[in-house]
Amino acid sequence: SQQGEEDPQALSIQEGENATMNCSYKTSINNLQWYRQNSGRGLVHLILIRSNEREKHSGRLRVTLDTSKKSSSLLITASRAADTASYFCAKRETSGSRLTFGEGTQLTVNP
Amino acid sequence: DTGVSQDPRHKITKRGQNVTFRCDPISEHNRLYWYRQTLGQGPEFLTYFQNEAQLEKSRLLSDRFSAERPKGSFSTLEIQRTEQGDSAMYLCASSLEQQGNQPQHFGDGTRLSIL
Repeated sequence: SQQGEEDPQALSIQEGENATMNCSYKTSINNLQWYRQNSGRGLVHLILIRSNEREKHSGRLRVTLDTSKKSSSLLITASRAADTASYFCAKRETSGSRLTFGEGTQLTVNP
Repeated sequence: DTGVSQDPRHKITKRGQNVTFRCDPISEHNRLYWYRQTLGQGPEFLTYFQNEAQLEKSRLLSDRFSAERPKGSFSTLEIQRTEQGDSAMYLCASSLEQQGNQPQHFGDGTRLSIL
């Protein structure tokens, strides 16, 4: 069952605009990870944020984590057509090694 | 680092047949994971290994499913007596777990279609 809920389910923007995707979860986590998936391909790891961290950056990506609200967001700045993909948040609980994924946000960046 | 490799990329078979998938993880990674993904959904955890030991199995892993990692390197996932509901993308991932908080690296998956 999916325990990470993502919002929105789909997002369509113009090149150059920023894209924000949100993820909520229900249980305590060790870390939260964001992945990208192009159609028919595997998942590419983007950023891992630990439960004691509040914000991380990687290039045009910015991830925030609010453990009091059990939510995270992924911001992609200055989007490009090549950013078109599905984006998933995955939480790793404090017990165990499995990742629990949300249903993903389908991002379309129009040139 | 050649990445996680999965074989085959696509498998089409008739209902009732057995199928086996292979995953070669990143060479120094000690953990190997199997996930299943259906269309429009996120991946769902099936099982994982630390070296050759299978440490956790999901309730999704019915008795028709078996996974092995005999030498702590590559892994196989076998599905016996396939059913139409088994149609999905089967994803393998690996990680190097020493102190926790390590990302999982995914292969491109094996897409299984049951006729």
